[in-house]
Amino acid sequence: DAKTTQPNSMESNEEEPVHLPCNHSTISGTDYIHWYRQLPSQGPEYVIHGLTSNVNNRMASLAIAEDRKSSTLILHRATLRDAAVYYCIPLSGGSNYKLTFGKGTLLTVNP
Amino acid sequence: DAGITQSPRHKVTETGTPVTLRCHQTENHRYMYWYRQDPGHGLRLIHYSYGVKDTDKGEVSDGYSVSRSKTEDFLLTLESATSSQTSVYFCAISGYRESYNSPLHFGNGTRLTVT
Repeated sequence: DAKTTQPNSMESNEEEPVHLPCNHSTISGTDYIHWYRQLPSQGPEYVIHGLTSNVNNRMASLAIAEDRKSSTLILHRATLRDAAVYYCIPLSGGSNYKLTFGKGTLLTVNP
Repeated sequence: DAGITQSPRHKVTETGTPVTLRCHQTENHRYMYWYRQDPGHGLRLIHYSYGVKDTDKGEVSDGYSVSRSKTEDFLLTLESATSSQTSVYFCAISGYRESYNSPLHFGNGTRLTVT
């Protein structure tokens, strides 16, 4: 399974962009990169995923490095509701889709 | 919201008693997971299933067993509950094999307290 490294915590101000990094240097060529977040007292929720190209959706953007060894989740304008723990997960179909989470990044958004 | 329901939502039980948590899905997804979450540990995979009667261990499977006799239900059993199993348990589902674009969807969690 590919290992990930994320900062333990990050801080941002409301309405400013946030760039959440993730290193996944052992990722295989067929692993998708998924991002999830967990708001306080809630279950995790899907944010975005991608393989090679940068991806955008209504919640965020995902920038994937050309060598795929790292990716960055971009929140274009942070809101107080974006305060959560963010998890980066490379998904390997070769292991029967066994999904393990790291400790993620705790994002604090200041008003 | 993805059709995933966990029951019960809350349970208090005594040490040594058996406990079964249920995860029910209406999405016909192949993959189902059980996680536990404790302060300071994040989400840890207990067991997962990649099809009916196909299950495998996760990171913290000791003291837990699972069963999946039909697509829609994934049961997690604590044969003899201990205080260390006090936790919030999350079920998740995914249709990954059906579509590479299928994300993981989580239930609302079951808060289990073992006294």
